[in-house]
Amino acid sequence: AQSVTQLGSHVSVSEGALVLLRCNYSSSVPPYLFWYVQYPNQGLQLLLKYTSAATLVKGINGFEAEFKKSETSFHLTKPSAHMSDAAEYFCAVSFQGGSEKLVFGKGTKLTVNP
Amino acid sequence: NAGVTQTPKFRVLKTGQSMTLLCAQDMNHEYMYWYRQDPGMGLRLIHYSVGEGTTAKGEVPDGYNVSRLKKQNFLLGLESAAPSQTSVYFCASKGLGTGPNTGELFFGEGSRLTVL
Repeated sequence: AQSVTQLGSHVSVSEGALVLLRCNYSSSVPPYLFWYVQYPNQGLQLLLKYTSAATLVKGINGFEAEFKKSETSFHLTKPSAHMSDAAEYFCAVSFQGGSEKLVFGKGTKLTVNP
Repeated sequence: NAGVTQTPKFRVLKTGQSMTLLCAQDMNHEYMYWYRQDPGMGLRLIHYSVGEGTTAKGEVPDGYNVSRLKKQNFLLGLESAAPSQTSVYFCASKGLGTGPNTGELFFGEGSRLTVL
């Protein structure tokens, strides 16, 4: 069965510092992996996704994530945090190709301190 | 483009009342989903549909019913609301096949439901 674990329900960084949000997955077949962001009182929007092409994926707003099969990880990073990055971030997994369902992690709330 | 539209955005119900949430998408997507979001729980799938006239249970289907009579609409019903159904409900849709949007879910802005 597919599952997603996000380590740390809350992460706090200073403005300008590195952002690292951790995601590990379990899947019996090669996965599709996603990071979504949710700003307060809004729906979720896609940050980036891995669909078996390049293992280092670049997304919007300067975020990127690296798929590491050996570690079953898909951690999200950004070199320099901005105040506008404060939001909740969700990692999600689905089967490669035709799966109907996306399984979400429980989310990590990112706080950026001035 | 409207994308995924949910109505209503806010609703307060009393225990035992019924209501329907409407989700409409204008992207001709095959798949549609209803999730609920609760603090510390992430998003949990309630029901989903893989095409017009089809529905299937997700992770937390009890107390909810759904219908997909038209491809563009996916309705979520609560027949007898309970305080445990107080939550934020999100609808999402996804297209078939390959391409730049492969696998991506498009979300509505959410419907906040309070059951007293």
